[in-house]
Amino acid sequence: ETGVTQSPTHLIKTRGQQVTLRCSSQSGHNTVSWYQQALGQGPQFIFQYYREEENGRGNFPPRFSGLQFPNYSSELNVNALELDDSALYLCASSGGTQVNGYTFGSGTRLTVV
Amino acid sequence: QKEVEQNSGPLSVPEGAIASLNCTYSDRGSQSFFWYRQYSGKSPELIMSIYSNGDKEDGRFTAQLNKASQYVSLLIRDSQPSDSATYLCAVNRGGDDKIIFGKGTRLHILP
Repeated sequence: ETGVTQSPTHLIKTRGQQVTLRCSSQSGHNTVSWYQQALGQGPQFIFQYYREEENGRGNFPPRFSGLQFPNYSSELNVNALELDDSALYLCASSGGTQVNGYTFGSGTRLTVV
Repeated sequence: QKEVEQNSGPLSVPEGAIASLNCTYSDRGSQSFFWYRQYSGKSPELIMSIYSNGDKEDGRFTAQLNKASQYVSLLIRDSQPSDSATYLCAVNRGGDDKIIFGKGTRLHILP
């Protein structure tokens, strides 16, 4: 059984650019949640995908968007990058219920300059 | 009021002592409660989950839940230097079951 994998591990982008982050969920998990973790803060919920549909969203602007594919892998897209978007982006998968908690990937460290 | 509140610390505890970490939450509809450990530069790792009032023990870790007081705690017995990390309290959002995190408490075990 494979765990949650994220790519790339590190990324540097310029303000105003667009970025796509990728996540492969753990085998058997059909739900993917994305979080943003700024330095010294807890993870902030961005949105969740369940069976290819958005299933809840946190307080993030529309320039944060996502996709989930039939194999349950997922993408996070951020348009018009701002300096404050610099953070660790975490993907977590679960088996359709949060009762057992999430398994996180190793994250993508995004730096916007 | 923030949804999940934790003291940011740092909390310094001598090696071998008991570390006590606390968390309060605002949503009375929450049913699932989690503690994650996060080492610097790494992703969070689930170490405990608790769903019913009372205590739940797993090795050196004990999670305590009091829904009436909206309070969750984590006790770490026989603290080791390897326990030095940030501990994140997480709670499911009662209305739609998403997991919301606190800011975390930095724990430093003194050798």
